[in-house]
Amino acid sequence: QKEVEQNSGPLSVPEGAIASLNCTYSDRGSQSFFWYRQYSGKSPELIMSIYSNGDKEDGRFTAQLNKASQYVSLLIRDSQPSDSATYLCAVRSGGSQGNLIFGKGTKLSVKP
Amino acid sequence: DVKVTQSSRYLVKRTGEKVFLECVQDMDHENMFWYRQDPGLGLRLIYFSYDVKMKEKGDIPEGYSVSREKKERFSLILESASTNQTSMYLCASRRTGMGGEKLFFGSGTQLSVL
Repeated sequence: QKEVEQNSGPLSVPEGAIASLNCTYSDRGSQSFFWYRQYSGKSPELIMSIYSNGDKEDGRFTAQLNKASQYVSLLIRDSQPSDSATYLCAVRSGGSQGNLIFGKGTKLSVKP
Repeated sequence: DVKVTQSSRYLVKRTGEKVFLECVQDMDHENMFWYRQDPGLGLRLIYFSYDVKMKEKGDIPEGYSVSREKKERFSLILESASTNQTSMYLCASRRTGMGGEKLFFGSGTQLSVL
């Protein structure tokens, strides 16, 4: 059974701090990795995708991938209360036609 | 941007009823998905379709069926609703190729089976 694991949280950080969200996955052959954000009562929306080892930055968000350790993370710099949401890690296995496997999500709370 | 429309935001049905959940996307995506989301269990894939008339079972297909007669429409059917099918149902379509891979979700249907 292919799995994606995340700490459920809640993760609480003060406004302006760096929030660090972590995810591990079981399928070593996975090639594509995604972070979705889900506000309470809303649907998930894609915020970052990463395909190669290393860091990928987009504004205040940085995704980090380490395939050897089967680990992917999301850093949110200068966290804002509007970042308070559940963050879902998703991993695609099985090649280009494989489906996403979602983690259960980490709830982030940014305190003013 | 892509729009994925689910027919109902809230539904209340009785045990044993046949339930249809409709989903329509407007960006000509080939891939469409049905998920259910439950507290503590995350997003779980029920069925998916990579093309018209094509359907494949996901991780939890029992008690469900699907229909994809047209590319833009993907319907989820609960043949005989049961209380354990009370959940949030999310439809998604997938963009591939140019622009990068991305799932676009509908706003969800909160189904209550009494």
